[in-house]
Amino acid sequence: AQKITQTQPGMFVQEKEAVTLDCTYDTSDQSYGLFWYKQPSSGEMIFLIYQGSYDEQNATEGRYSLNFQKARKSANLVISASQLGDSAMYFCAMRRPPGNTPLVFGKGTRLSVIA
Amino acid sequence: GAVVSQHPSWVICKSGTSVKIECRSLDFQATTMFWYRQFPKQSLMLMATSNEGSKATYEQGVEKDKFLINHASLTLSTLTVTSAHPEDSSFYICSASRQGSAGELFFGEGSRLTVL
Repeated sequence: AQKITQTQPGMFVQEKEAVTLDCTYDTSDQSYGLFWYKQPSSGEMIFLIYQGSYDEQNATEGRYSLNFQKARKSANLVISASQLGDSAMYFCAMRRPPGNTPLVFGKGTRLSVIA
Repeated sequence: GAVVSQHPSWVICKSGTSVKIECRSLDFQATTMFWYRQFPKQSLMLMATSNEGSKATYEQGVEKDKFLINHASLTLSTLTVTSAHPEDSSFYICSASRQGSAGELFFGEGSRLTVL
């Protein structure tokens, strides 16, 4: 079974600063994908970044980067130059290789960006 | 990017009635869609996997007779909450994957159900 653990229920960050949201995972699969989604108060799920288990380089998407440490089974999200609009819930998730498999989510971290 | 549309966004109904929620993939075909449920301040919990042309696969603890899922075409899956009760009040959100993408799921806007 796959399991995602996010140990930070809430985080605060000053505007323009960087912040790291922690995520660890557990799986017996050799091939898997790791994802981060943002959920603002409106409820929509916004895809941020993806890391494949065989990718050697850490994924980056604009201000988002994923610090992937396979041996530690961690996939932390780093948001650089935080903006007020970054305030939201952030979910780490994983999935078996693309196909008819669902995402398994962690409990989420609520990020609040302070002006 | 791929778009998944969900309707209605909000629904309020009386206890005992049934409510249907639609999930459409607008610009791609989705042989599989997933239905999640989210209680306030909690994570998304998978309810069922909806497969086009076949019966849905329900997660343990989800009543298949209460949450009817129909995936009649490659672009439409529906979730019907039958004989709704106040404890069914929740945020329901569907998702689908598209071939050729990185593997991320595309989510609908979600449907907030309130049962009075």
